[in-house]
Amino acid sequence: ELKVEQNPLFLSMQEGKNYTIYCNYSTTSDRLYWYRQDPGKSLESLFVLLSNGAVKQEGRLMASLDTKARLSTLHITAAVHDLSATYFCAVDSETSGSRLTFGEGTQLTVNP
Amino acid sequence: DVKVTQSSRYLVKRTGEKVFLECVQDMDHENMFWYRQDPGLGLRLIYFSYDVKMKEKGDIPEGYSVSREKKERFSLILESASTNQTSMYLCASRLALGGEQYFGPGTRLTVT
Repeated sequence: ELKVEQNPLFLSMQEGKNYTIYCNYSTTSDRLYWYRQDPGKSLESLFVLLSNGAVKQEGRLMASLDTKARLSTLHITAAVHDLSATYFCAVDSETSGSRLTFGEGTQLTVNP
Repeated sequence: DVKVTQSSRYLVKRTGEKVFLECVQDMDHENMFWYRQDPGLGLRLIYFSYDVKMKEKGDIPEGYSVSREKKERFSLILESASTNQTSMYLCASRLALGGEQYFGPGTRLTVT
């Protein structure tokens, strides 16, 4: 059974600081997705990583994928309050068919 | 522009009522999914469908059924609503394994 674990689950940080959210998964996969969810809202796609070494950047967020280590990171640079949200990673697996397996989510709060 | 729509944003039903939640996607996607999301429990997959008239149980199918008569529409049915089905329900679709998954806006269901 594919397991996806995020670390940390809760993150409180100050504006202007840098931090990294980690996403570990338990089986071979080279497809990983990051989503953002604002309180009371649905999930919005942030990044799609489709190969080992893939790196994607959008504004203050940068995601990378290391399929050998079964690890993806979401790096936050110089955080601002608008980044406060819950971030989910999700993984594809050949054994899971067309369904994604999601991590538990990381609730990020950026304080002024 | 990709779109997944859900029939209601907010719904209040009484215990024992039959409830229909509708989801429509306009992307000609093969795969459609129903999740529920509760605080502290992350996203849990209820049912998914990989083709018209085809369905698969997810992790928590008890108390729910689904219907997919047309490719673009996937319905979630609560045969006899109970208070423990009060939740946020999210519909999603994706083309295939490896494709991006898109979420609808969500339906917040309250069963009283």
